[in-house]
Amino acid sequence: DAGVIQSPRHEVTEMGQEVTLRCKPISGHDYLFWYRQTMMRGLELLIYFNNNVPIDDSGMPEDRFSAKMPNASFSTLKIQPSEPRDSAVYFCASSLTSGSSYEQYFGPGTRLTVT
Amino acid sequence: GIQVEQSPPDLILQEGANSTLRCNFSDSVNNLQWFHQNPWGQLINLFYIPSGTKQNGRLSATTVATERYSLLYISSSQTTDSGVYFCAPTGFQKLVFGTGTRLLVSP
Repeated sequence: DAGVIQSPRHEVTEMGQEVTLRCKPISGHDYLFWYRQTMMRGLELLIYFNNNVPIDDSGMPEDRFSAKMPNASFSTLKIQPSEPRDSAVYFCASSLTSGSSYEQYFGPGTRLTVT
Repeated sequence: GIQVEQSPPDLILQEGANSTLRCNFSDSVNNLQWFHQNPWGQLINLFYIPSGTKQNGRLSATTVATERYSLLYISSSQTTDSGVYFCAPTGFQKLVFGTGTRLLVSP
């Protein structure tokens, strides 16, 4: 299995620009998660989906952030307009609910720098 | 929400030494994972261990859910063990990450 795939791996953009991060979960997994890692706040959950439906977006910081999952194999996290404080590493993770197991597997992350 | 405390925050070891990392959490959990974030930033699954004991090579983990703590043991440490170790418990799906233990193993 290829694991969770994220693109791009690095993104540098100017303040005010739209940024789109992409994620392909592990095939067959029914949960998808978006996390953000910063020095100040550590790793925090932004939003997660179950069977392509957003379940909890309480971690999304502002209306500038939006996430979609149009199908079981693709999700996007969009920031519009971007600000310097959005600079962080964004991770996507997926899991398969199997019995009582909820183990999550993480992608390599996208390092976003907003100048 | 669940509060997570990891200790020690920083650890420096000589290659070959053993160590124990601790994770305390405030509420009952159905899920607990340990991760290693390597120097390149990749999050690597170490253990899925909501309760009991598991071993994988030089690493083992124990979670005592009733007492709300988990331990990660690293034996015969190697320089490749360097990085940050995160504990992440949850009641269901929303992993809550601790602040991590930063480990440096010197040759």
